[in-house]
Amino acid sequence: KAGVTQTPRYLIKTRGQQVTLSCSPISGHRSVSWYQQTPGQGLQFLFEYFSETQRNKGNFPGRFSGRQFSNSRSEMNVSTLELGDSALYLCASSDGTGGETEAFFGQGTRLTVV
Amino acid sequence: AQSVAQPEDQVNVAEGNPLTVKCTYSVSGNPYLFWYVQYPNRGLQFLLKYITGDNLVKGSYGFEAEFNKSQTSFHLKKPSALVSDSALYFCAVSDSGAGSYQLTFGKGTKLSVIP
Repeated sequence: KAGVTQTPRYLIKTRGQQVTLSCSPISGHRSVSWYQQTPGQGLQFLFEYFSETQRNKGNFPGRFSGRQFSNSRSEMNVSTLELGDSALYLCASSDGTGGETEAFFGQGTRLTVV
Repeated sequence: AQSVAQPEDQVNVAEGNPLTVKCTYSVSGNPYLFWYVQYPNRGLQFLLKYITGDNLVKGSYGFEAEFNKSQTSFHLKKPSALVSDSALYFCAVSDSGAGSYQLTFGKGTKLSVIP
């Protein structure tokens, strides 16, 4: 069974630009969550999608957005990049049926904003 | 709101010795608790979870965790540490309220196993 695939693995962008990150979940999983990981703030929840609907959103500005397609693949977009957006962005896949199920993570996209 | 605390930023242990990585939690209802491990420049790997039932949960790579409701703790343990266990460990609690799925993580504990 293929795992969670995130592309690209590494990105370097300039302040003010926008970026799109992609995540393909495990086959059959309908829930995709996104997390930001930084040394200072740790792992912070961005948002969760289930069957193309955003079910929950963390405390991030509106510059952070996402979507999910009918095949459960998800993208997240960050507009008007700031230096503080430099982070490892992790995508997590789960069947989304309940809190007792574990999530499986991709290897992440390392975003550097210069 | 739910929260997770990992009181130790770093734990050092000699190879072959038992290891413990501590975690305490705060939730309003029944807790669903998880441990994940992260190796450098990698995503998180699931180790084990507690849902209900036995307080001692066994997981991958010889790890186990002990759930203690009265102390609201979920400590990760391993009887004999390996150098390859050196990594960053995260405790997490899930929230399936309002029909969504979200993990709340602790800050992480860096485990160093010394040869």
